[in-house]
Amino acid sequence: DAKTTQPPSMDCAEGRAANLPCNHSTISGNEYVYWYRQIHSQGPQYIIHGLKNNETNEMASLIITEDRKSSTLILPHATLRDTAVYYCICTTDSWGKLQFGAGTQVVVTP
Amino acid sequence: EAQVTQNPRYLITVTGKKLTVTCSQNMNHEYMSWYRQDPGLGLRQIYYSMNVEVTDKGDVPEGYKVSRKEKRNFPLILESPSPNQTSLYFCASSGLYLLSNEQFFGPGTRLTVL
Repeated sequence: DAKTTQPPSMDCAEGRAANLPCNHSTISGNEYVYWYRQIHSQGPQYIIHGLKNNETNEMASLIITEDRKSSTLILPHATLRDTAVYYCICTTDSWGKLQFGAGTQVVVTP
Repeated sequence: EAQVTQNPRYLITVTGKKLTVTCSQNMNHEYMSWYRQDPGLGLRQIYYSMNVEVTDKGDVPEGYKVSRKEKRNFPLILESPSPNQTSLYFCASSGLYLLSNEQFFGPGTRLTVL
């Protein structure tokens, strides 16, 4: 699975969009990009995943560049409850071990 | 409500005293696994199970046992706990019907071994 690189931390103002970058320059053609988040020592929570096309669900949007070497998770209107560590994971597996890195600590401020 | 439950949520024990952390899911998921989370090391998989009576080692299985006698339950057993097993433990499950690696995690069990 491709290694991912994320900034260690970022701040976001409440109500504004939060754009979380992830670099995965060695991603292979059949690897998906998954995003999970972990709110203060709770169990990680699935957010979204994608292969090539941009994806949107009720929680977030995922934008994957055309060359697939990087992606951005967008939280459209960040709330204080979005404060969490966000993990970007690349995997070919439709099941199995998730390789969590250090993630990005996002702090949403009033 | 679809969920993964773990018990206990907090446990303080002493070296060598056998313990079991239970994990149960109500989503009829085939896949279940255990992770531990330690500062600076992230989440690491301990064991996983593809279905009843099918289990396999993850990245850090030493000192742990698991069993999968029923589809909904996947207990983690520490036969002789040691202080280096002090950690935050998460159980996770996933349904193969999902055709994706969307996993559902339990709330965590914080274990301290003295």
